[in-house]
Amino acid sequence: QKEVEQNSGPLSVPEGAIASLNCTYSDRVSQSFFWYRQYSGKSPELIMSIYSNGDKEDGRFTAQLNKASQYVSLLIRDSQPSDSATYLCAANNAGNMLTFGGGTRLMVKP
Amino acid sequence: GAGVSQTPSNKVTEKGKYVELRCDPISGHTALYWYRQSLGQGPEFLIYFQGTGAADDSGLPNDRFFAVRPEGSVSTLKIQRTERGDSAVYLCASSLREPGLGTDTQYFGPGTRLTVL
Repeated sequence: QKEVEQNSGPLSVPEGAIASLNCTYSDRVSQSFFWYRQYSGKSPELIMSIYSNGDKEDGRFTAQLNKASQYVSLLIRDSQPSDSATYLCAANNAGNMLTFGGGTRLMVKP
Repeated sequence: GAGVSQTPSNKVTEKGKYVELRCDPISGHTALYWYRQSLGQGPEFLIYFQGTGAADDSGLPNDRFFAVRPEGSVSTLKIQRTERGDSAVYLCASSLREPGLGTDTQYFGPGTRLTVL
């Protein structure tokens, strides 16, 4: 079992809808979590970081963390075609490296 | 300011050859990380430098892989006797890694796409 799990998708949503991306992790000592967006052929770009249980909002993005359930999610409101990309969930366990999930491919259809 | 840069952007080599991949981190970032990303997968950790020293090299797949950061800034990932299975995108990231501030954010470079024929 991978340490960070994501549904590979593709997740298809219509333009203007809410896209919900989910991630689970197995290492209970993981302390911080990151969502990166990766366009095809490009490098990962940080979208959100979250360290505490609850919600964290930044513009159209909301990250949610539930450490008891070992679950992290990213909500994208008012999805746009330009949001179409692969979204990578990553966990840091107070060590130094990030452990990534395999990514979820999001497709926002006009 | 400038982000993380990596050179070359693409490298095609033959099986058995030696390659060097270069990473120039964000100015002032003390921590530098190398990851490898295969098609359709998330990045996988290779090695982490804090300053000049390799603080964690547990992700290096075997002794053909080696990395250095002699002056605490630019890093070079070296791969000896390349194999077709080494083909991947090699990503470099850097962070401030200030002690006492807990987890910090890693910023990625554009990557080097390595193809071993």
